[in-house]
Amino acid sequence: QQQVKQSPQSLIVQKGGIPIINCAYENTAFDYFPWYQQFPGKGPALLIAIRPDVSEKKEGRFTISFNKSAKQFSLHIMDSQPGDSATYFCAASMGYQKVTFGTGTKLQVIP
Amino acid sequence: EAGVTQSPTHLIKTRGQQATLRCSPISGHTSVYWYQQALGLGLQFLLWYDEGEERNRGNFPPRFSGRQFPNYSSELNVNALELEDSALYLCASSRLGGMNTEAFFGQGTRLTVV
Repeated sequence: QQQVKQSPQSLIVQKGGIPIINCAYENTAFDYFPWYQQFPGKGPALLIAIRPDVSEKKEGRFTISFNKSAKQFSLHIMDSQPGDSATYFCAASMGYQKVTFGTGTKLQVIP
Repeated sequence: EAGVTQSPTHLIKTRGQQATLRCSPISGHTSVYWYQQALGLGLQFLLWYDEGEERNRGNFPPRFSGRQFPNYSSELNVNALELEDSALYLCASSRLGGMNTEAFFGQGTRLTVV
């Protein structure tokens, strides 16, 4: 119930492509869904987040789509660049409970 | 505002020794989480502390332990180090109960066991 399932495990796209990373959850009590970006040798950094009362959120080239009925959410990166190459983690949390992370997706954007 | 700080940045220990890793959360954050990230792998949840108490523990042996101090800083101890304990250990902090329960990570401690 506390798990967040993330796919794919790895992803290779060409520059300008739109990589999509998907996450699914079971616990309908989750009320906050952040995404983290991690570069090699660094800690994960908060990228963008969404709440279940919103179906889509955009910040720059990053978009979260949220499907509450399907209990799924996804990250889209528009016009991807080689500098976007990193590992991306989705997560879910709810008040008074720990943050639960997905297993991560290693994205490589090739020039 | 200072972020989550971890020390040391790098730590090299011999098999069988003990390692102590430290974490200072963001001011106002009461929860501290510890994660292990082995090379190329995801975040493996280790421990969660809030208000000085252990709230949850991941699937790790008892030689992984820790504590949270009254100022909310935290310490992770790994006893009887094994070669496979070599990893990046990440600390994160968050508030609990409010609208913003996102976790902020430190830069990690790279532990190498030789």
